[in-house]
Amino acid sequence: DTAVSQTPKYLVTQMGNDKSIKCEQNLGHDTMYWYKQDSKKFLKIMFSYNNKELIINETVPNRFSPKSPDKAHLNLHINSLELGDSAVYFCASSPASGASSYNEQFFGPGTRLTVL
Amino acid sequence: AQSVAQPEDQVNVAEGNPLTVKCTYSVSGNPYLFWYVQYPNRGLQFLLKYITGDNLVKGSYGFEAEFNKSQTSFHLKKPSALVSDSALYFCAVRDLNSGNTPLVFGKGTRLSVIA
Repeated sequence: DTAVSQTPKYLVTQMGNDKSIKCEQNLGHDTMYWYKQDSKKFLKIMFSYNNKELIINETVPNRFSPKSPDKAHLNLHINSLELGDSAVYFCASSPASGASSYNEQFFGPGTRLTVL
Repeated sequence: AQSVAQPEDQVNVAEGNPLTVKCTYSVSGNPYLFWYVQYPNRGLQFLLKYITGDNLVKGSYGFEAEFNKSQTSFHLKKPSALVSDSALYFCAVRDLNSGNTPLVFGKGTRLSVIA
């Protein structure tokens, strides 16, 4: 059973389009995250949700909007895609309530987004 | 502000030799420290963490790391490297005194184990 799953695995789209990436975890965790990994493999957090509530929103353009319909899902919607959005996006989850915890995070396999 | 540095972009080691991947950190309070590994086209996998207690932490796949407060370091080690250890390794830190702050990752170190 996949603990943290993401769909799609690959996403190729044109500039200006709107797209969504879905994430689901079956670990019963309270906290979920979105990370962006750029072409140099640098990993940076974008958002964190705890029990469907947004708790971290780093300096991300407002074209990116996370949505958490329940604590097992955290989707990422991106409007008006730009070339610089091309990256691998990782979803993750952890058991503790809140980002300031010592629990490790469990990562999904990633979604490679290519904007043409 | 919290930060973590991995001074080496690439580490090469022969199979069977010991390996070390370096990590230093900066926090205002006490740190939570983590090591993750990323294999090609995969998500990150947790290896080990330091919270408190014994400075030597043992983790998955025979890896260990030593927390050194005076040197603000948390180097990852393995006594005998395997070719299958070749991957990208990330060190990460959270300052437990900084409220609801996220985990901060280093830029990663690529480990190449040569047969």
